[in-house]
Amino acid sequence: AQKITQTQPGMFVQEKEAVTLDCTYDTSDPSYGLFWYKQPSSGEMIFLIYQGSYDQQNATEGRYSLNFQKARKSANLVISASQLGDSAMYFCAMREMNNNAGNMLTFGGGTRLMVKP
Amino acid sequence: KAGVTQTPRYLIKTRGQQVTLSCSPISGHRSVSWYQQTPGQGLQFLFEYFSETQRNKGNFPGRFSGRQFSNSRSEMNVSTLELGDSALYLCASSRGGGGTEAFFGQGTRLTVV
Repeated sequence: AQKITQTQPGMFVQEKEAVTLDCTYDTSDPSYGLFWYKQPSSGEMIFLIYQGSYDQQNATEGRYSLNFQKARKSANLVISASQLGDSAMYFCAMREMNNNAGNMLTFGGGTRLMVKP
Repeated sequence: KAGVTQTPRYLIKTRGQQVTLSCSPISGHRSVSWYQQTPGQGLQFLFEYFSETQRNKGNFPGRFSGRQFSNSRSEMNVSTLELGDSALYLCASSRGGGGTEAFFGQGTRLTVV
């Protein structure tokens, strides 16, 4: 069963506007972490933001915030004031914290974001 | 503080050959995980090494193997290369305690011809 689902293969956003990238997940582990990464065309995976399952508040990092709705099992990434340099692939990933999982990340299929000038 | 370093960046190999990729994690990080990224399958977990021991393994054939050295640097090896092994190989560096960090290198792009 797919554990991470990103339903938007591609999205356009106007420069300076905000955009929300969707991510839903599935796990029976009560302790888990959710990650978002940006992958530009160069291939490097750039860490953006992290949310722990027990964190009371939604994570924020500069222009990035994570809209964490635990009951709905969703962890949407919000990018405020989009910039041309935000054009890239974005991946949602999950790490289950049980002893057998180690540091393994499970990734969604990604969303290609294109920022229009 | 240096980031995660993967070498080489690009590689072209012929079917049937073998290849070795290297990953140097962030200083102080003891966990190195490897991932394969292809257009068709997306990002798939290969294996994780922690303190020189393989801690977890994904669903890949035995042609894919790895190891970790005492300085936490890791290598992965693919033997008897197939065309389908063409991919971007990424490694991730973590402290090891299942925490909040997972930083990736720039990847090695392998092309098998």
